[in-house]
Amino acid sequence: AQSVTQLDSQVPVFEEAPVELRCNYSSSVSVYLFWYVQYPNQGLQLLLKYLSGSTLVKGINGFEAEFNKSQTSFHLRKPSVHISDTAEYFCAVSDLSGNTPLVFGKGTRLSVIA
Amino acid sequence: DVKVTQSSRYLVKRTGEKVFLECVQDMDHENMFWYRQDPGLGLRLIYFSYDVKMKEKGDIPEGYSVSREKKERFSLILESASTNQTSMYLCASSSYPQTVNYGYTFGSGTRLTVV
Repeated sequence: AQSVTQLDSQVPVFEEAPVELRCNYSSSVSVYLFWYVQYPNQGLQLLLKYLSGSTLVKGINGFEAEFNKSQTSFHLRKPSVHISDTAEYFCAVSDLSGNTPLVFGKGTRLSVIA
Repeated sequence: DVKVTQSSRYLVKRTGEKVFLECVQDMDHENMFWYRQDPGLGLRLIYFSYDVKMKEKGDIPEGYSVSREKKERFSLILESASTNQTSMYLCASSSYPQTVNYGYTFGSGTRLTVV
């Protein structure tokens, strides 16, 4: 069975500073990987995904993530955050067959401080 | 541009009531899912469906049932609401994983309070 660990439940960061949100997964098979963002009182919105190909994936709002198979990680990064990036971020994993639904991490709350 | 629609944003129900949460998607997706979200617990899967009239239990199905009579609609039913079912409920849909657009699309969520 797959599982996802988001290593930080809360990450405070000053505006215009870089940020990295960490995600590790466990799986015995090849996987698809996702990052979602949730703004207050809203549903989840897809930030980016890794399905195949280049291990560096670029998403919306200036975010990117790197798939590292040997370390089973998919960390999310942004070089300079804005106040509007304050939200909760979820990492998720699924196997390639689609026979099992996405498994989500518990989330990381990013707080950007002016 | 709304693609997954949940019928209510906020709902207040009394203990013991039967509650219906409706979800409709307009993307012709085969797969639909119901999650609940609680602080510190992330998203937990309640039920999912890979086809019309088909349903599978997720991680926490107790106290819930679902109905999928049409491809675009997936309903979550709380047979007898209890206070521990107070939560945010999120519906999602997806195409098959082997498609280039694979990924879950979520609705805006229904915040249910049971009193």
